[in-house]
Amino acid sequence: AQKITQTQPGMFVQEKEAVTLDCTYDTSDPSYGLFWYKQPSSGEMIFLIYQGSYDQQNATEGRYSLNFQKARKSANLVISASQLGDSAMYFCAMREVTNAGKSTFGDGTTLTVKP
Amino acid sequence: EAQVTQNPRYLITVTGKKLTVTCSQNMNHEYMSWYRQDPGLGLRQIYYSMNVEVTDKGDVPEGYKVSRKEKRNFPLILESPSPNQTSLYFCASSLRGRIDEQYFGPGTRLTVT
Repeated sequence: AQKITQTQPGMFVQEKEAVTLDCTYDTSDPSYGLFWYKQPSSGEMIFLIYQGSYDQQNATEGRYSLNFQKARKSANLVISASQLGDSAMYFCAMREVTNAGKSTFGDGTTLTVKP
Repeated sequence: EAQVTQNPRYLITVTGKKLTVTCSQNMNHEYMSWYRQDPGLGLRQIYYSMNVEVTDKGDVPEGYKVSRKEKRNFPLILESPSPNQTSLYFCASSLRGRIDEQYFGPGTRLTVT
């Protein structure tokens, strides 16, 4: 069964600094996808970045990058040059090829960016 | 505009009164899901559908029903709501499963008294 663990309920970062949000996962499927979503205080869910299990390179999208360590089963989100607008809840999620409709989310990390 | 819509956005109801939350997407997506979000528990998948007439249980299906008669619509039915179903509900869709991100609706905040 797939499982996502986010061990940081809350994180603080100074504006303009980088921050890493942790995500570890568990799966027996060799083929899977990992996703990060952002939920601002307004409540909507926003897709940030995707990493496939067979991707050789770490995914990047603007200021977001995913530090994918397959052997350690970790998929940490790195936000560079934090902005006040990055203050939000962040969720790590996974989908497996063998049951692509099923999706598992972590409990989330609340990030607060300080001015 | 590509979007997932949910209705209603807010609903207060009483125990036992059947209700339906509608979800519709205009992106011709095959996959659709329902989630509930509770404080400290992240998003938990209730049901999902991989195509018309194909649905399956997620992690917390008890007390919920779904149907997928048309590709664009995926309603969530609470036949006899109870207070423990008070939650924030999200509908989501994606083109395929593994490699595609999900597009989320705006959420429905349900309170059952």
